[in-house]
Amino acid sequence: DTAVSQTPKYLVTQMGNDKSIKCEQNLGHDTMYWYKQDSKKFLKIMFSYNNKELIINETVPNRFSPKSPDKAHLNLHINSLELGDSAVYFCASSQGLAGLEQYFGPGTRLTVT
Amino acid sequence: AQSVSQHNHHVILSEAASLELGCNYSYGGTVNLFWYVQYPGQHLQLLLKYFSGDPLVKGIKGFEAEFIKSKFSFNLRKPSVQWSDTAEYFCAVNARGSGGGADGLTFGKGTHLIIQP
Repeated sequence: DTAVSQTPKYLVTQMGNDKSIKCEQNLGHDTMYWYKQDSKKFLKIMFSYNNKELIINETVPNRFSPKSPDKAHLNLHINSLELGDSAVYFCASSQGLAGLEQYFGPGTRLTVT
Repeated sequence: AQSVSQHNHHVILSEAASLELGCNYSYGGTVNLFWYVQYPGQHLQLLLKYFSGDPLVKGIKGFEAEFIKSKFSFNLRKPSVQWSDTAEYFCAVNARGSGGGADGLTFGKGTHLIIQP
């Protein structure tokens, strides 16, 4: 069973388009995250959600809008895609906010042309 | 805010060599410490973690790490590497305690490890 899953795995799109990435976890966790990994492999937190509520938004353009319909899902919608949005986006989950380990999804490689 | 520094960006070793990857962090409070590994084309997997107690922690695949509080370090070690250890290694910290985890993990910039057969 996949603990944290993301769809799609690859996404190629043109500048200006709007796209969504979906994330689901079956670990029963109540906290979910989105990270961005750039071309140099650097990972940076974008958002964290706890019990469907936004906890942190780390200087991310408002073209990025996360949505959490329930505790097991955290989707990422991106409007007006730009070249600089090309990256690998990882979803993760953890239990609570006490800084415990996070479990990562397989990543979505987004390429904007 | 916390920050993490990994000193070696690229490391090339031969099989059976010993490995040590450096990691230092800065944070005013107490942290939980992690090493994650990312094999080519795969997602991040937890190698090991330190929350409290014995500062020498053992993880999967023969890896271990030592937390030295006075040095704010959490170096990763393996006595004898294998070709299959070729991967990207990330040190990460998370503020401990109620609400601290909301900040998410702060990662170092990663170390690209290549093991030559």
